[in-house]
Amino acid sequence: DTAVSQTPKYLVTQMGNDKSIKCEQNLGHDTMYWYKQDSKKFLKIMFSYNNKELIINETVPNRFSPKSPDKAHLNLHINSLELGDSAVYFCASSQARLAGGLGEQYFGPGTRLTVT
Amino acid sequence: RKEVEQDPGPFNVPEGATVAFNCTYSNSASQSFFWYRQDCRKEPKLLMSVYSSGNEDGRFTAQLNRASQYISLLIRDSKLSDSATYLCVVNTGGFKTIFGAGTRLFVKA
Repeated sequence: DTAVSQTPKYLVTQMGNDKSIKCEQNLGHDTMYWYKQDSKKFLKIMFSYNNKELIINETVPNRFSPKSPDKAHLNLHINSLELGDSAVYFCASSQARLAGGLGEQYFGPGTRLTVT
Repeated sequence: RKEVEQDPGPFNVPEGATVAFNCTYSNSASQSFFWYRQDCRKEPKLLMSVYSSGNEDGRFTAQLNRASQYISLLIRDSKLSDSATYLCVVNTGGFKTIFGAGTRLFVKA
């Protein structure tokens, strides 16, 4: 019954490795997001996809590559991991409103990435 | 000026108190507004959307002032379980959503 799910929940890896995080939503939403929450707890948008198309790329290093195989899935692949990539990564989804703007976002439980 | 600004707090209040948070936004074309709460080591969860006419959900009341570009959240009769970080969220148009840095609330017995 989970609306937005992410795997894995925890990820511990060494610098230089490549890793992926997967996200799935069963809400029928047309828009999905990746957010990064750093140690200062600031939540910052990284990417936004609408109907599988990349809409927003917020000056994220190109070591981060999102991929949306369909509207219900948005994965995040990270190459050559660095210490500064340690953070919690949240996936979210929402539906555009007919009146304009975006509707409420629903978040996954987060993936806590630790790079050593 | 930040796109979305909140007082980081912390707000320390006794049970039963009324507490209010404000949030200002810089983009006058912003279209939708929300309050989320985030508990420690958990994901943000929607508390309520904020509508132009103001809206209420139980002990929580949200207001939007477009002229002054701020939204507010009022919590009445605070409970211990209200302790969390409250995030102001603004959709600035298109698909861009900005989260405030959050306001920490501690409700004490």
